[in-house]
Amino acid sequence: NAGVTQTPKFQVLKTGQSMTLQCAQDMNHNSMYWYRQDPGMGLRLIYYSASEGTTDKGEVPNGYNVSRLNKREFSLRLESAAPSQTSVYFCASQRYDARVDEKLFFGSGTQLSVL
Amino acid sequence: QKEVEQDPGPLSVPEGAIVSLNCTYSNSAFQYFMWYRQYSRKGPELLMYTYSSGNKEDGRFTAQVDKSSKYISLFIRDSQPSDSATYLCAMSADQGGSEKLVFGKGTKLTVNP
Repeated sequence: NAGVTQTPKFQVLKTGQSMTLQCAQDMNHNSMYWYRQDPGMGLRLIYYSASEGTTDKGEVPNGYNVSRLNKREFSLRLESAAPSQTSVYFCASQRYDARVDEKLFFGSGTQLSVL
Repeated sequence: QKEVEQDPGPLSVPEGAIVSLNCTYSNSAFQYFMWYRQYSRKGPELLMYTYSSGNKEDGRFTAQVDKSSKYISLFIRDSQPSDSATYLCAMSADQGGSEKLVFGKGTKLTVNP
């Protein structure tokens, strides 16, 4: 049982390059989330998708775009990477968005370095 | 002042010790409280959930909420090397959706055999 799968696991970019982080879940969950985790900052929400066909900004959306491709997949795109976007990125899914006590399932993360 | 404050540690204890992990918060509207455990190079996983004040126990783990002091704690009894991880607190004022969760920075715990 795969759960939430993120690709790639590691990536090094040069400033100004673009890339897409992929996330897929096989639990038939409705809600999906992208977080970034930085030392001393904790987890911060970038974007989320409460259900297929909807996306909304989180706390730190600047410099990112997302696509909810279908119920399974939620991608995060960096159009022009900046060193400030060096971070570990986590995708998460949840059965539905209506309850904060619903368990969040996280992927293993993508470690991104922007030089 | 950040909404949620958590001592990042690191915290190192011998096997069998009782561990106390804490978070303080400033938003008195918070009423949903969670603890996540994150192993190295892995995503967080939900460990405990508590609504409002009081205690909740699950095996060796006890979550405690003191809303009057805006303080939550996670106690680990008979700590094991497998408990070595980073523990993140998370909380929300609103039941409706994890997009409203505010996370602490996490406390890194090492349990030495």
